[in-house]
Amino acid sequence: DAKTTQPTSMDCAEGRAANLPCNHSTISGNEYVYWYRQIHSQGPQYIIHGLKNNETNEMASLIITEDRKSSTLILPHATLRDTAVYYCIVRGFNAGNNRKLIWGLGTSLAVNP
Amino acid sequence: NAGVTQTPKFQVLKTGQSMTLQCAQDMNHEYMSWYRQDPGMGLRLIHYSVGAGITDQGEVPNGYNVSRSTTEDFPLRLLSAAPSQTSVYFCASSYSWLAGGTHPDTQYFGPGTRLTVL
Repeated sequence: DAKTTQPTSMDCAEGRAANLPCNHSTISGNEYVYWYRQIHSQGPQYIIHGLKNNETNEMASLIITEDRKSSTLILPHATLRDTAVYYCIVRGFNAGNNRKLIWGLGTSLAVNP
Repeated sequence: NAGVTQTPKFQVLKTGQSMTLQCAQDMNHEYMSWYRQDPGMGLRLIHYSVGAGITDQGEVPNGYNVSRSTTEDFPLRLLSAAPSQTSVYFCASSYSWLAGGTHPDTQYFGPGTRLTVL
């Protein structure tokens, strides 16, 4: 599974878009990009995933570069409740029974009033 | 649906004691797993199960046992607690890719159990 690199921390003003970058330059063709977040003291929460195309759901948008070496998670209108640690994870589809997700330290996003 | 539930939420043990952390899910997920989270480190996989009766080790299995007698439940047993096992423990579940539906690595996590071993 490819490794990912994320900034340690970011700030965002409430109501503005939060753009969280992730570098995964060693990603291979069958590997998906996943985003999870962990609000303080809670279990991680799935946000979105993608392979090649940009994806959008009710929580966020995922923009993947054409070469797939990096991606950006976009929270279009950040609220105080979006303050959390955001994890970018890369893993191959059906990569065996061991669905081990390699968790780094993520990006700590602080949404400020 | 209650999703993934874990009990207890908090636990304090003395070195050498044993206990079982409970995990249950009501989503009929085949895959379940246990992680531990320590300060300054990412989540690390302890054990996982791809279905009832099938379990396997993750990256940090020593000191822990699991069993999977039903689809719903996946308890984690600490055999003889040590201070190094002080951590926050998360249980997670997801669909089998064979069952279709959501991508198999969309994992649903429980609220966690905060364990302190003195």
